[in-house]
Amino acid sequence: DSGVTQTPKHLITATGQRVTLRCSPRSGDLSVYWYQQSLDQGLQFLIQYYNGEERAKGNILERFSAQQFPDLHSELNLSSLELGDSALYFCASSEYRDRDEKLFFGSGTQLSVL
Amino acid sequence: AQKITQTQPGMFVQEKEAVTLDCTYDTSDQSYGLFWYKQPSSGEMIFLIYQGSYDEQNATEGRYSLNFQKARKSANLVISASQLGDSAMYFCAMRETYGQNFVFGPGTRLSVLP
Repeated sequence: DSGVTQTPKHLITATGQRVTLRCSPRSGDLSVYWYQQSLDQGLQFLIQYYNGEERAKGNILERFSAQQFPDLHSELNLSSLELGDSALYFCASSEYRDRDEKLFFGSGTQLSVL
Repeated sequence: AQKITQTQPGMFVQEKEAVTLDCTYDTSDQSYGLFWYKQPSSGEMIFLIYQGSYDEQNATEGRYSLNFQKARKSANLVISASQLGDSAMYFCAMRETYGQNFVFGPGTRLSVLP
């Protein structure tokens, strides 16, 4: 158990809908990362937050947004869903220390858009 | 440009034998970190081993060791005495200090044969 909690584990929804994925980082970790893993594109970095502020942005679509709350949990919002958004979405947390930072992943949310 | 290259999409190894999974990386940073993660069929991402760019010794964690050749920009994972439970996808990743983001390679699927 990595200590990173993601909910829900599975999500089935229809095109055009909106969903929210939730992540609780490990106790003490200030940084949260979101990744998307699809079969044809591997692990793609979406966005990173550090202590409530956006730190880095990757290939995140405009239909997607995220935030990190004062208690450090994070939510990833996906709207106007398309079939191609079906993927495994990972949250990971790390304690931000230069050179010794390690990512610890949650178990992921499997999103299926029908 | 690809920052992390894993040239072996799939590999087979006999149980109890050693296996090397290749990883090459591209960075202009002097300080960076290299990581290996394991993803079994259940989907979770498990941290295996870390190597800092300034570390002179190759990292080891139990049956895992990292063959770090800085001049060649390679960070190969060596698994000794393979076990059936080692069958999984293996991802090499890099964190550049100033990028503050983890970049993942496409992965290598390892199958351990009885």
